Amino acid sequence: DTGVSQDPRHKITKRGQNVTFRCDPISEHNRLYWYRQTLGQGPEFLTYFQNEAQLEKSRLLSDRFSAERPKGSFSTLEIQRTEQGDSAMYLCASSGQNSYEQYFGPGTRLTVT
Amino acid sequence: QKEVEQDPGPLSVPEGAIVSLNCTYSNSAFQYFMWYRQYSRKGPELLMYTYSSGNKEDGRFTAQVDKSSKYISLFIRDSQPSDSATYLCAMSIRGSNYKLTFGKGTLLTVNP
Repeated sequence: DTGVSQDPRHKITKRGQNVTFRCDPISEHNRLYWYRQTLGQGPEFLTYFQNEAQLEKSRLLSDRFSAERPKGSFSTLEIQRTEQGDSAMYLCASSGQNSYEQYFGPGTRLTVT
Repeated sequence: QKEVEQDPGPLSVPEGAIVSLNCTYSNSAFQYFMWYRQYSRKGPELLMYTYSSGNKEDGRFTAQVDKSSKYISLFIRDSQPSDSATYLCAMSIRGSNYKLTFGKGTLLTVNP
């Protein structure tokens, strides 16, 4: 069990650029979540996948954000036309079919300049 | 009022002290409760999880849930400098895709 992995760990981009993050969940975990965490705050839910289906999106997920999970394995989160307010830690978590506990990856820290 | 309230601290204790961390919540539909530890610039690490009222113990950690008072606690016995981190409480509603609602986190420093 290698745990949840995320790539890249840190991304610096200029305002207006597009960025894409990847998450590889724990193998055989069919549930995958994305959260966003800003300094001094707890993580906030963005979106949820069960297998390849995106079943829930937070109102925090504006139309500049899109997430996919092809074939129910890894997931990507894309942010188009980045803004300075998008600077945050983006966290991915996964969970098994009959479990409610979630295991987090190390996160991708995004800095928009 | 936020759904989950957690005192952000900071909390500073001497090594060996018993630490008590607390969260309150307003939504009685929360059924599952978790505590995460997060070191600076790292992802949250799951420490404890429970769905029932009462106590759950794991080594030096005890999680306590009081659903009638909408109050959860994490106790750390014999605290160590390596316990210095931010502690996040999190909870979810059954049938809600189990998405987590977090507190703001409490920054703990254990001084040697």
